Amino acid sequence: QVQLVESGGGVVQPGRSLRLSCVASGFIFNRYSMHWVRQAPGKGLDWVALISYDGSTELYADSVRGRFSISRDDSKDTLYLTMHNLRPEDTAVYYCARPVNRDGYNLFGYWGQGTPVTVSS
Amino acid sequence: EIVMSQSPATLSASPGERATLSCRASQSVSTNLAWFQQRPGQAPRLLIHGASTRATDVPPRFRGSGSGTEFTLTITSLQSEDFAIYYCQQYNKWPPWTFGQGTRVDIK
Repeated sequence: QVQLVESGGGVVQPGRSLRLSCVASGFIFNRYSMHWVRQAPGKGLDWVALISYDGSTELYADSVRGRFSISRDDSKDTLYLTMHNLRPEDTAVYYCARPVNRDGYNLFGYWGQGTPVTVSS
Repeated sequence: EIVMSQSPATLSASPGERATLSCRASQSVSTNLAWFQQRPGQAPRLLIHGASTRATDVPPRFRGSGSGTEFTLTITSLQSEDFAIYYCQQYNKWPPWTFGQGTRVDIK
């Protein structure tokens, strides 16, 4: 069955960097686009970034563009989110999510359990 | 950016009752609208897509309807496991994919 397992979260000071990972299993990773979605404490869901199945397309929310970078290593079935110049407002649980279908970006059908990031001095 | 608004913020109901949740888009999203359920401490779960199509293994008591800017999620007879937060999301115009702020369904 489809599994997504995030890791790499933790407590980091403002201005520092962090890299999150999402290891995928149960499906052919290199055939699917992937998303990162975050959820601040007690708040709703906030889409962060997308990478296409072949890595040719990267899309970012305005709030993270220029600071965050999404990437993938298909040899390791792993999705990454590299976050630079972190701000307190980036504090959230970060989820990776996979669309239901191979041929699109929509229908966020599979989610990992999330990894928490706290940006605080 | 399309802004999604949900109402009410909290809905209190008893098991067996009907619950009706609303979602409004700031511009038409056609039927490119999904609903998610999030139980405490868990990841979101896709319930409905295409405004009215249930995702795999979603029980028929969950019904989605609407098009354009007005959408409804109806839970026809609340079960204990349905007490959760529900989010709508548009995927008509992206990026960004945008979510509503959520409706919490509480036990009365």
